[in-house]
Amino acid sequence: SQQGEEDPQALSIQEGENATMNCSYKTSINNLQWYRQNSGRGLVHLILIRSNEREKHSGRLRVTLDTSKKSSSLLITASRAADTASYFCATDSRPPETSYDKVIFGPGTSLSVIP
Amino acid sequence: KAGVTQTPRYLIKTRGQQVTLSCSPISGHRSVSWYQQTPGQGLQFLFEYFSETQRNKGNFPGRFSGRQFSNSRSEMNVSTLELGDSALYLCASSFRTSGGRRTGELFFGEGSRLTVL
Repeated sequence: SQQGEEDPQALSIQEGENATMNCSYKTSINNLQWYRQNSGRGLVHLILIRSNEREKHSGRLRVTLDTSKKSSSLLITASRAADTASYFCATDSRPPETSYDKVIFGPGTSLSVIP
Repeated sequence: KAGVTQTPRYLIKTRGQQVTLSCSPISGHRSVSWYQQTPGQGLQFLFEYFSETQRNKGNFPGRFSGRQFSNSRSEMNVSTLELGDSALYLCASSFRTSGGRRTGELFFGEGSRLTVL
């Protein structure tokens, strides 16, 4: 089963608006990461937030992490048509049966930014 | 620094055949993870190799296997292909310390798109 779940599944906004995507997960994590994927391509890492961090910024991106609620959000400000893509959250956690952590992805949010 | 390279990019096979996909990680990365992406199931974790040993495994049947070579290049193999194996197979490399601790994010290749007819 997947560790992370994003909502909404799909989001359509006008250029210049802000886009917010949410991610919930089930178990304790080392860190949470957000990735972007343009149609049919490989994923590109956007931002990583560690379990002891609450907020992180990178350019127009802002990520928050609430470990008590096991949730994270990704905010993209002043969106552009070029931001149209799928966005995935991924949790890095250690399964009980091994000493090696693994990264599990949620189902993703499809973002459409209309010019 | 060269990125993650996956070959082939596209391939078409028929049911019952087998396929081998290759992944060359970023120089210095000794960890390679494989994922299967389909419209219905999303990104599913297949397995991860670090220092030539499988360290984690997802919930896939034994038809899916992999290996890693001493130069960190990895291959995955799918035997007795089924229609449902049609997917984008993504490889990602990452840096782990000698003690096995991952210190950052995953770097993905462009994927190998497999179509099974």
